[in-house]
Amino acid sequence: QKEVEQDPGPLSVPEGAIVSLNCTYSNSAFQYFMWYRQYSRKGPELLMYTYSSGNKEDGRFTAQVDKSSKYISLFIRDSQPSDSATYLCAMTYTGTASKLTFGTGTRLQVTL
Amino acid sequence: EAQVTQNPRYLITVTGKKLTVTCSQNMNHEYMSWYRQDPGLGLRQIYYSMNVEVTDKGDVPEGYKVSRKEKRNFPLILESPSPNQTSLYFCASRISTGSNQPQHFGDGTRLSIL
Repeated sequence: QKEVEQDPGPLSVPEGAIVSLNCTYSNSAFQYFMWYRQYSRKGPELLMYTYSSGNKEDGRFTAQVDKSSKYISLFIRDSQPSDSATYLCAMTYTGTASKLTFGTGTRLQVTL
Repeated sequence: EAQVTQNPRYLITVTGKKLTVTCSQNMNHEYMSWYRQDPGLGLRQIYYSMNVEVTDKGDVPEGYKVSRKEKRNFPLILESPSPNQTSLYFCASRISTGSNQPQHFGDGTRLSIL
């Protein structure tokens, strides 16, 4: 079983829709949770970063962490064609050598 | 502009021919790492470096070497490439060794080993 599970999609939604992207994880030591966006032929770029449980909002994006369920979500409101990309969840824990553990990514297509 | 630069972006080569993928960052970051990205497996860490002359293995280090002689550079070396090393490779850096710092990624190097 992978430490982080993420539905690969693809997920296709019409412009303006609310998108929900999710990851589950098994390691209860994870404390820092991130969402990266990766456009085709580009490297991942950090979109959202949260520590421990709770919600964080940034414009049209909301990141949610439920540590009791080991479940994290990214919501995109009023989705735009420019949101079409692969979204990767990533997580880590305290420690100078601790690395990011990534989900496999969900490919999102927002259609006109 | 703050960035992580990888070269080459694309490379097709043959089994056994040594190659080096360069990575350079201009943000004075202490921590640098290499990942490979494969379909269905996601991003997996190959090696990382917490500072100059300090490197350590990640999850999939077999067949790879790295060095960190200068803070800004972290080359990935494939001494004797094999077809199972065909993949998309990313270099990343972050400001310090603290795990709560975001990582910045390069745009990737697509390697094909025939």
